[in-house]
Amino acid sequence: QVQLVQSGADVKKPGASAKVSCKASGYTFTGYYINWVRQAPGQGLEWMGWVNSNTGVTNYAQKFQDRVTMTRDTSITTAYLEVSSLRSDDTAVYYCAREQISPYYSSYAMDVWGQGTTVTVSS
Amino acid sequence: EIVLTQSPGTLPLSPGDRATLSCRASQRVRSSYLAWFQQRPGRAPKLLIYEASSRAGGIPDRFSGSGSGTDFTLTISRLEPEDFAVYYCHQYGSSPRTFGQGTKVEIK
Repeated sequence: QVQLVQSGADVKKPGASAKVSCKASGYTFTGYYINWVRQAPGQGLEWMGWVNSNTGVTNYAQKFQDRVTMTRDTSITTAYLEVSSLRSDDTAVYYCAREQISPYYSSYAMDVWGQGTTVTVSS
Repeated sequence: EIVLTQSPGTLPLSPGDRATLSCRASQRVRSSYLAWFQQRPGRAPKLLIYEASSRAGGIPDRFSGSGSGTDFTLTISRLEPEDFAVYYCHQYGSSPRTFGQGTKVEIK
């Protein structure tokens, strides 16, 4: 079945970097973007950006432009999110979610989500 | 950036009631690329509605979406116990993608 399986929880110190993985299975990996969305404790959902799993092109939210890197490895159908210079307010659950790529000026909703990865930033 | 404002923040209802959730956008949402997600505690969001009114696969027909332009509505015709959760609207027609702040449907 179609699924996205994320890496396990992580604890980092302020200033460090965190890398989260998202393993895709059950569908054609290169036909979809992988979006990253985070949720701070007790808060709403915040879109961080996406990576085109076919080309590797990225689109980041301006807020995260300087501190995030989204990549993918098509050989193992896995996408990655790396956040650098971590601060306490980066403590959140990080989700990956797929979105179908359209060759035209169409958009698709995020239809399959990973289970989430908790990243805790604490000294 | 399109700001999505959901109302009410909290909606206290009883099983069997009808729920009406609102989502207002600060600008027109291109091609009605507006989705609704359900999130239960400790779980990932689940896609319910896309393109404002199309139900995602496996979603019961008690969930319906409507609206266009800047005003959108999610209706749950008769609440089941598993429907008490937080609901988010989300626009994916322009970048950056944005989410509403959520509406919590709670048991009265």
